[in-house]
Amino acid sequence: KNQVEQSPQSLIILEGKNCTLQCNYTVSPFSNLRWYKQDTGRGPVSLTIMTFSENTKSNGRYTATLDADTKQSSLHITASQLSDSASYICVVSDRGSTLGRLYFGRGTQLTVWP
Amino acid sequence: EADIYQTPRYLVIGTGKKITLECSQTMGHDKMYWYQQDPGMELHLIHYSYGVNSTEKGDLSSESTVSRIRTEHFPLTLESARPSHTSQYLCASSESGEQYFGPGTRLTVT
Repeated sequence: KNQVEQSPQSLIILEGKNCTLQCNYTVSPFSNLRWYKQDTGRGPVSLTIMTFSENTKSNGRYTATLDADTKQSSLHITASQLSDSASYICVVSDRGSTLGRLYFGRGTQLTVWP
Repeated sequence: EADIYQTPRYLVIGTGKKITLECSQTMGHDKMYWYQQDPGMELHLIHYSYGVNSTEKGDLSSESTVSRIRTEHFPLTLESARPSHTSQYLCASSESGEQYFGPGTRLTVT
């Protein structure tokens, strides 16, 4: 069964600190992995996308890594800001259908305190 | 920011009412999607469309229906709302694999 598991479920950090969010998946055949940021009451917004051959991708203070062998990904946030408070969702796409089906994790709820 | 819009953003309605959630995109994308998301849970695909006059049911069974008469418009209808339909409904569109999400509609059925 194709699944995406994220940890931790929730995380509280102080402003300025770094943090790392984890994602494990069993989706096969693998196409790509995305990290989305979802603010409360809003739709998800894409942060990074990585294909099988990529093992790291950065977007400002966000750096995602991918280990396709162990089927693990992480999202590292550097120098956190209050605006980073959101849910971070790991999404894996398979290449077994023309739809490009997406499999969503439940997200990590990050809260940044001043 | 993607040009995909959903209305209303919030809706509180009584049991048995018929409702339509609107979704529009101005990017000319052929593929569009409806997802349902409960708090703290993952998004579940309930409907998708490859283009005009094409609609399919997603992974999660839903009593809602959709239509795709125009490329830019993908409304979702519930003929008789029930409290079990209370959820957040997210619309998305895609081209070349990247999905762009609307802001969502928070539906509460009392």
